[in-house]
Amino acid sequence: EADIYQTPRYLVIGTGKKITLECSQTMGHDKMYWYQQDPGMELHLIHYSYGVNSTEKGDLSSESTVSRIRTEHFPLTLESARPSHTSQYLCASSEGQAGAFFGQGTRLTVV
Amino acid sequence: GEDVEQSLFLSVREGDSSVINCTYTDSSSTYLYWYKQEPGAGLQLLTYIFSNMDMKQDQRLTVLLNKKDKHLSLRIADTQTGDSAIYFCAEIYGNNRLAFGKGIQVVVIP
Repeated sequence: EADIYQTPRYLVIGTGKKITLECSQTMGHDKMYWYQQDPGMELHLIHYSYGVNSTEKGDLSSESTVSRIRTEHFPLTLESARPSHTSQYLCASSEGQAGAFFGQGTRLTVV
Repeated sequence: GEDVEQSLFLSVREGDSSVINCTYTDSSSTYLYWYKQEPGAGLQLLTYIFSNMDMKQDQRLTVLLNKKDKHLSLRIADTQTGDSAIYFCAEIYGNNRLAFGKGIQVVVIP
């Protein structure tokens, strides 16, 4: 069973607020990822990291930012939330090529 | 990212076999994956196949890989109601990044 955790599971927040979505894994994986998932199911990579102090933008442009100060922790921050940021955010980690393990996701609604 | 294609919806009767198909683009992909997503949950890695294999079987799951046509399929034998979910195929590109298909909604009819 994968040990990767996301908090909160659900978040409803007003426009303009700053939010941080948490993601932690206890598997010691170097690689971590953030995906944004449309209501129509498609997944888009928005950030990834190959290790501590390494962060890269993904394939879908995002106004969010990430940091990787510790191996196990990969938080995502939105400085000023907008309704267009409403989505499901999925965090994942991997080691080698045996596949990525996903957290349960955070469903964000900006009102 | 790479372009991975899947059809969007499949309904199947409980007890029947279901086959989900996927077409990928990167012929150099070394591993290909199948993930399952139940409502309100993250993605669960079901199985994966190395590119030098044609077939892999894991209990009720059979993965078939046609490298010439870049075609990947997942067969679920004796489909159960608990198999109702969204299924994604994925391939590795770049440096261990995963490209996902759009997902297929599988509905199992009792």
